[in-house]
Amino acid sequence: DVKVTQSSRYLVKRTGEKVFLECVQDMDHENMFWYRQDPGLGLRLIYFSYDVKMKEKGDIPEGYSVSREKKERFSLILESASTNQTSMYLCASSPFGGGTGNTIYFGEGSWLTVV
Amino acid sequence: QKEVEQDPGPLSVPEGAIVSLNCTYSNSAFQYFMWYRQYSRKGPELLMYTYSSGNKEDGRFTAQVDKSSKYISLFIRDSQPSDSATYLCAMGVNSGGYQKVTFGIGTKLQVIP
Repeated sequence: DVKVTQSSRYLVKRTGEKVFLECVQDMDHENMFWYRQDPGLGLRLIYFSYDVKMKEKGDIPEGYSVSREKKERFSLILESASTNQTSMYLCASSPFGGGTGNTIYFGEGSWLTVV
Repeated sequence: QKEVEQDPGPLSVPEGAIVSLNCTYSNSAFQYFMWYRQYSRKGPELLMYTYSSGNKEDGRFTAQVDKSSKYISLFIRDSQPSDSATYLCAMGVNSGGYQKVTFGIGTKLQVIP
């Protein structure tokens, strides 16, 4: 089974802190994604990466950055956390191939509260 | 108009009922379609994947795609309380070397024992 692991499930941070959310996948997938999920807004794409050291902005990149130094690891960084970044953050990966290779696999989510 | 429209519900049904969940979309470029189930405070898990019009069955779940009407459905037969979750539709296209997937907002389903 594909495993996408988010290291932190629940975090509470103060406004202005730098926050790191780590994600590791164990299936050698090319594509990795970071989403945030909010009630009434659904899933919104923050950043994605299609290869090591490559990154592309999603729909809501402001206030976030990412790092992909190794194929299996994709980190989301909040440079200066703000209360409006309180949300559930979901990491995902996909092999981006034919057939069911387009399937996106999600981690369990990281609940971030910024106070 | 959103690319993908999905009624957020909530939808309450009695145990054993047939559940019908639906999404409509506007982008005719979508190539493949997925349904995810998401339990409270968990990540979405894939239920069904399909890329062609027609029906695909897996146990109590049937995914239906009608590309001409830009409409997809998920049917759950003999619904169980354990099916209570939020169901997200997702539609994808691979273009220019990138994978672009758009999700519906999710329909919250409650199956009453």
